[in-house]
Amino acid sequence: EADIYQTPRYLVIGTGKKITLECSQTMGHDKMYWYQQDPGMELHLIHYSYGVNSTEKGDLSSESTVSRIRTEHFPLTLESARPSHTSQYLCASSDYGVQFGYGYTFGSGTRLTVV
Amino acid sequence: TQLLEQSPQFLSIQEGENLTVYCNSSSVFSSLQWYRQEPGEGPVLLVTVVTGGEVKKLKRLTFQFGDARKDSSLHITAAQPGDTGLYLCAGDTGNQFYFGTGTSLTVIP
Repeated sequence: EADIYQTPRYLVIGTGKKITLECSQTMGHDKMYWYQQDPGMELHLIHYSYGVNSTEKGDLSSESTVSRIRTEHFPLTLESARPSHTSQYLCASSDYGVQFGYGYTFGSGTRLTVV
Repeated sequence: TQLLEQSPQFLSIQEGENLTVYCNSSSVFSSLQWYRQEPGEGPVLLVTVVTGGEVKKLKRLTFQFGDARKDSSLHITAAQPGDTGLYLCAGDTGNQFYFGTGTSLTVIP
């Protein structure tokens, strides 16, 4: 069973549309992340949050924005989707105790296609 | 510049064979993790190694953290088709985790 939920799983939209990818976790983790991944490739960090009202941009330049109003919820928004945004988006959360074996918990991802 | 390089990038082997995947960096990490990802799903944590020189075993999988905490290896004994997937290492610099370039493993029955 998943403790971190992403919706939708698959999304096909037209260029210029505004979309929000949802991510919720039930573990009470303070840290949450958004990664972008092309099929079978490495993960690129696009946004992260260390708690409510805390958001930072990651290493990969992104035209998306995020918000963290509640601990459990970390949505990602694209104001105007473009074909270059076509990718898989993965949400993850972690506990501060990663050094004790608690790693990232990932959602199943949202596969976004912009046509 | 990629902080963590994994090799090989692709690996296709027969069921029953052994294999080793490498994760290398010039940076020191406070901990390093290995994940396996199946198509259409998110990565799933396999193990975390913390101490330089540490060896952890998980059934047929053996993980080793380099003495200098800059590299790691994953060895699979008698690979099975269920081992097929993308293997990712991730190093903790203390500020954030950086993921490796990934090794795509296919085990042929």
